[in-house]
Amino acid sequence: ETGVTQTPRHLVMGMTNKKSLKCEQHLGHNAMYWYKQSAKKPLELMFVYSLEERVENNSVPSRFSPECPNSSHLFLHLHTLQPEDSALYLCASSQDFRGNEQFFGPGTRLTVL
Amino acid sequence: RKEVEQDPGPFNVPEGATVAFNCTYSNSASQSFFWYRQDCRKEPKLLMSVYSSGNEDGRFTAQLNRASQYISLLIRDSKLSDSATYLCVVNIGSGTYKYIFGTGTRLKVLA
Repeated sequence: ETGVTQTPRHLVMGMTNKKSLKCEQHLGHNAMYWYKQSAKKPLELMFVYSLEERVENNSVPSRFSPECPNSSHLFLHLHTLQPEDSALYLCASSQDFRGNEQFFGPGTRLTVL
Repeated sequence: RKEVEQDPGPFNVPEGATVAFNCTYSNSASQSFFWYRQDCRKEPKLLMSVYSSGNEDGRFTAQLNRASQYISLLIRDSKLSDSATYLCVVNIGSGTYKYIFGTGTRLKVLA
């Protein structure tokens, strides 16, 4: 596979469930990102990793927990979410932090009941 | 003032028309600029980076005006397949991970 992949593509969960989103990039990039996209809003940055080290936690509630085991993989662990967390969750990568282009995965469309 | 502003549209244009979008940014230290295309319920896909000298890719031309702090995207000979939302993205400086996204401009090309 090439580019950035994400699984699952769709997820429906109850507020008491625990689930994880997975992202993998095949571009040899050093930086990975989690974004949230809600309807009619711009993309919101959630977390940033550089070479597996978290460099940004953009005031995200603790019910979202990221994990970056290596520079190619990124996870977002979800627990006790709220209905307002329903959104498209996008993973992206870039070569580094020198203003390079970002490349996005297809996203996970999350619905919290 | 928003960090990145775009006219949300929609811009409804007939096939074959030329259409232009502008995007203004507030941080004069911004260094990298991009246009992305996003189809409904899909991820943003890089359309083109915007360089100081401007750049062209087929029917698409991007320009940067640092003095007035805006970037533009010109689409010539519009196709039905160009219908999408076009996102303006600004990176505020080398060494940072802060990419600021506009809310997008929606384009509908009509047969």
